[in-house]
Amino acid sequence: GQNIDQPTEMTATEGAIVQINCTYQTSGFNGLFWYQQHAGEAPTFLSYNVLDGLEEKGRFSSFLSRSKGYSYLLLKELQMKDSASYLCAVRDPHASGGSYIPTFGRGTSLIVHP
Amino acid sequence: DVKVTQSSRYLVKRTGEKVFLECVQDMDHENMFWYRQDPGLGLRLIYFSYDVKMKEKGDIPEGYSVSREKKERFSLILESASTNQTSMYLCASSLSEPGLDWGNEQYFGPGTRLTVT
Repeated sequence: GQNIDQPTEMTATEGAIVQINCTYQTSGFNGLFWYQQHAGEAPTFLSYNVLDGLEEKGRFSSFLSRSKGYSYLLLKELQMKDSASYLCAVRDPHASGGSYIPTFGRGTSLIVHP
Repeated sequence: DVKVTQSSRYLVKRTGEKVFLECVQDMDHENMFWYRQDPGLGLRLIYFSYDVKMKEKGDIPEGYSVSREKKERFSLILESASTNQTSMYLCASSLSEPGLDWGNEQYFGPGTRLTVT
């Protein structure tokens, strides 16, 4: 089976840094994605990690440790528009559909306040 | 620019009606997906397709069927709508194979909020 855990909700202050964690327990591993979803809108792709380490993209960075089954999304210089849900998704080649199909966590709702 | 479109943003249907949700992508992607999203439950996969006329069940296929007659179009069918199918339905597409530098991430449509009364 697969288990992907994220905190349900986080709050942070504009201009600060926030780290959203994702832990997973899967039979296999073939990549981890982070998506952003604003209320009432579709998820949009943020980052992809398949090897251990940190991937940086502007204000957003994503980290992966395969041995620990752990990832985090780091958001720097928070802006009000960063208020959204952040979805962690893991691809497990042993799951139904094989390596093409990611399984999503339930998402973390981030609230940024002034 | 990448685009996935869905036929309706909002839909209200009666119990027992047959419902069609259409999804079209213009990226020549092989994979297409249907999810439903409910508060507290996250995104759950209903069906996916990795090629024309091919379909595979996801985690919650009961009460749904799909059709993929053309590469760009993937339809979700509710044979007899029930109130527990009231939800947000999201279509997505992706390339078939991940590469070393890309993960065949999914591109999502805007969603259809379906209410069954």
